[in-house]
Amino acid sequence: LAKTTQPISMDSYEGQEVNITCSHNNIATNDYITWYQQFPSQGPRFIIQGYKTKVTNEVASLFIPADRKSSTLSLPRVSLSDTAVYYCLVGEGYGQNFVFGPGTRLSVLP
Amino acid sequence: DSGVTQTPKHLITATGQRVTLRCSPRSGDLSVYWYQQSLDQGLQFLIQYYNGEERAKGNILERFSAQQFPDLHSELNLSSLELGDSALYFCASSVGGNRDTEAFFGQGTRLTVV
Repeated sequence: LAKTTQPISMDSYEGQEVNITCSHNNIATNDYITWYQQFPSQGPRFIIQGYKTKVTNEVASLFIPADRKSSTLSLPRVSLSDTAVYYCLVGEGYGQNFVFGPGTRLSVLP
Repeated sequence: DSGVTQTPKHLITATGQRVTLRCSPRSGDLSVYWYQQSLDQGLQFLIQYYNGEERAKGNILERFSAQQFPDLHSELNLSSLELGDSALYFCASSVGGNRDTEAFFGQGTRLTVV
């Protein structure tokens, strides 16, 4: 499994766009990039997945450059309820059998 | 609500004891996954069952075992408990047995070993 590196923590303010970048230099050809969100004492929740270029859904966008060695999760106009830990996973599938790293702890301030 | 139900929500037990955690997957999901999340180790995959059969194994200790029953619910058995086994245990389910379908996580069981 490709190792991922992401910031341990980030702060933002309500209404701002937040971009969380994940590095995955050893990504393999068959690997997808998947992001999960976890609130305290709750199970992780799937946010978005992509392979290359840009993917957008109702909650986030995922930008993946051509070399796929990094990816950026973009959360538009965050609110206090977006305060959570965000995990970047790289591998085949949705990450069900992965080890989740420490993730990025996002704090949204009023 | 993910549709995955875990019981009990909290469990306190003594070292050396054995406990059973239960998971009911979403309706129609055939795969069940178990995870352990502790403060110092993050979220770790333990084991996967698909339609009653073990499909993949992660960092599961020999003191731990799991099974999936014909009605697709699953149980995780933890025995000879140690203080270090205190953690949140999550169950997730997905439709397929491969890794190409989204997994939905339950609310977890918080186990405290004293």
